[in-house]
Amino acid sequence: GENVEQHPSTLSVQEGDSAVIKCTYSDSASNYFPWYKQELGKRPQLIIDIRSNVGEKKDQRIAVTLNKTAKHFSLHITETQPEDSAVYFCAHRGDTGFQKLVFGTGTRLLVSP
Amino acid sequence: EPEVTQTPSHQVTQMGQEVILRCVPISNHLYFYWYRQILGQKVEFLVSFYNNEISEKSEIFDDQFSVERPDGSNFTLKIRSTKLEDSAMYFCASMSGHSGNTIYFGEGSWLTVV
Repeated sequence: GENVEQHPSTLSVQEGDSAVIKCTYSDSASNYFPWYKQELGKRPQLIIDIRSNVGEKKDQRIAVTLNKTAKHFSLHITETQPEDSAVYFCAHRGDTGFQKLVFGTGTRLLVSP
Repeated sequence: EPEVTQTPSHQVTQMGQEVILRCVPISNHLYFYWYRQILGQKVEFLVSFYNNEISEKSEIFDDQFSVERPDGSNFTLKIRSTKLEDSAMYFCASMSGHSGNTIYFGEGSWLTVV
């Protein structure tokens, strides 16, 4: 019940286009949903997160939406730039104490100039 | 900005050898983690540590693995007898446990078992 499905596995867009990555989870106790960006050989970097009492959160070109009823959440990147090219991981966790993050399988985003 | 630091950044070891990966979590953080990422795959949870004991571990974290917080700053992952399939990037992470509960990752230690 703790796995998370992430789609698509790869996504190619033209610079300036929008990109959307979706994740679906099954654990109804999950209430913290971060998104990480990972460049080749680097650590995952938190780019945005959302908690279950909020349906949407935006930070400049990045937004995350959460549908707790349907148990899915999405990352939206607008006006993509080549430097957005990376692997993006969704994750989820119960928000009590030390519960572990469970990561999705990742989406390789390629933004072409 | 405080960071989680890890050493070594890269280690090559012979199969069957013991390896210790070291981490210095962010000062005043209370929760510590090790994650593993095999090349091209997702980040996998290994173990969490709180109040000087393991709080949760995954199926990957078998008897060959152990963690220790030998002093007030270091947090180590030991693999007793490495196997080829242990080759991966190992990330240490820490969390304050206070409001926000963001998990911060270190730069990783790349382990190659030959």
